[in-house]
Amino acid sequence: DTEVTQTPKHLVMGMTNKKSLKCEQHMGHRAMYWYKQKAKKPPELMFVYSYEKLSINESVPSRFSPECPNSSLLNLHLHALQPEDSALYLCASSHQGANSPLHFGNGTRLTVT
Amino acid sequence: QQQVKQSPQSLIVQKGGISIINCAYENTAFDYFPWYQQFPGKGPALLIAIRPDVSEKKEGRFTISFNKSAKQFSLHIMDSQPGDSATYFCAASSYNNNDMRFGAGTRLTVKP
Repeated sequence: DTEVTQTPKHLVMGMTNKKSLKCEQHMGHRAMYWYKQKAKKPPELMFVYSYEKLSINESVPSRFSPECPNSSLLNLHLHALQPEDSALYLCASSHQGANSPLHFGNGTRLTVT
Repeated sequence: QQQVKQSPQSLIVQKGGISIINCAYENTAFDYFPWYQQFPGKGPALLIAIRPDVSEKKEGRFTISFNKSAKQFSLHIMDSQPGDSATYFCAASSYNNNDMRFGAGTRLTVKP
């Protein structure tokens, strides 16, 4: 089991739906990340939160909206997604700075119909 | 977004053999180089990592070799086992940014 918990494990949503992905960690990490991974591809950085503030947005479309309510929680709000947004969405956390390794959850497998 | 180049794309090794995966980078601001292992249905997990002030780091059967002047680093898996069959990603990040970038990945198959 990983120390980063993501829910749900699987999600199927239509293009007009609104849904949210959730991520939780209790390792005291102050940096949290969203990555997107397509099949047979590497994880691609989407967003980074540092001390609950958005520090990196990799030009992600506005239909993806991140939120960091506190130092342990990270959400990704989804609205009006496209079928090409279907992917594995990975959450990760790390200590802030000093080249800290990322700790990944097992992801949410998202299918957009 | 691909700032780290990884090869080969896939690798087949016999049990007991040595698996070698290579990576190269261009951004000289990178100063932390981890390797991640990913099994199907799971998130990537840290395997081993190196900083550029050392040329080699060994942990059990896994060794990273680092060549700062060539901007290259590699993963060696000694005595490869079928349980090592997974996808391996090299990655790089810089100190001031939480900007971990991944190589394209290598799918390793270890045949019994």
